[in-house]
Amino acid sequence: AQSVTQLDSQVPVFEEAPVELRCNYSSSVSVYLFWYVQYPNQGLQLLLKYLSGSTLVKGINGFEAEFNKSQTSFHLRKPSVHISDTAEYFCAVSGATNFGNEKLTFGTGTRLTIIP
Amino acid sequence: NAGVTQTPKFQVLKTGQSMTLQCAQDMNHNSMYWYRQDPGMGLRLIYYSASEGTTDKGEVPNGYNVSRLNKREFSLRLESAAPSQTSVYFCASSPGQQETQYFGPGTRLLVL
Repeated sequence: AQSVTQLDSQVPVFEEAPVELRCNYSSSVSVYLFWYVQYPNQGLQLLLKYLSGSTLVKGINGFEAEFNKSQTSFHLRKPSVHISDTAEYFCAVSGATNFGNEKLTFGTGTRLTIIP
Repeated sequence: NAGVTQTPKFQVLKTGQSMTLQCAQDMNHNSMYWYRQDPGMGLRLIYYSASEGTTDKGEVPNGYNVSRLNKREFSLRLESAAPSQTSVYFCASSPGQQETQYFGPGTRLLVL
C-alpha cells in the first residue's frame, strides 16, 4: 500500500512570488505520482503526472514538479503565482505494478492562498 | 462532451433517510469511483468499479452501497443516513485503474 504526506495544510504567498508545495510518499513498489488542483466549489482536475522518464514534469498553468526517488518526494513549484492560483492542491500516488488494480491514494491537501 | 456529471448538487437529509447519488460519464471509461471529501482528510475512496459488472470496497465503505448500472453510470446509495455522512461526495472515472481520473463537480450532503 502507498501513503502520501503533504507537509503544509496552508501556504500563503504574495502575488508574483514563487511557491513550492511539498509532497512526500511511501511505497514498497514503484509509483505513479499526480498533482490535482481543486478550485473553490469545483471538482478536482489534473495539474500534472509522473509515470516514467524525465523526473521533471511540466503541467498546466505554469506548474512543474520534480520526482526525487531517493527523497521519496514530488514537490510542486511555480516561479510566479497569480491570484487565479488560489485553490487547494492534492498530491496523489498509485503503485506502478502490472496488476492493473492499484488505487489512487490522496494526501490531505494544501490550501494555497495568494495575497495581492 | 460533458465529462463526469453528478446529481444532485446539494442535498439535506434527516438521520435515517435514504438517498441515491447519481453519476454518469460520457468518456467511455472502464473504471469509476466514489470518494468523500472531509476537511483535513483529503479524499477517501468509498467504492470503485474497475469495469462494468464489478464493484469493490475502498477505504471507507461502511454505510454505503453502489451499483454499476452500465458502463456510463455508477450510483452511490445511503440506506440510512447518519450525521457522520455529512460530506462532499465526488464521482470520478478513468480509462483504466492506473490512469488519470476525471472528477465530477461534487454533491454536497448535509445529514441532520
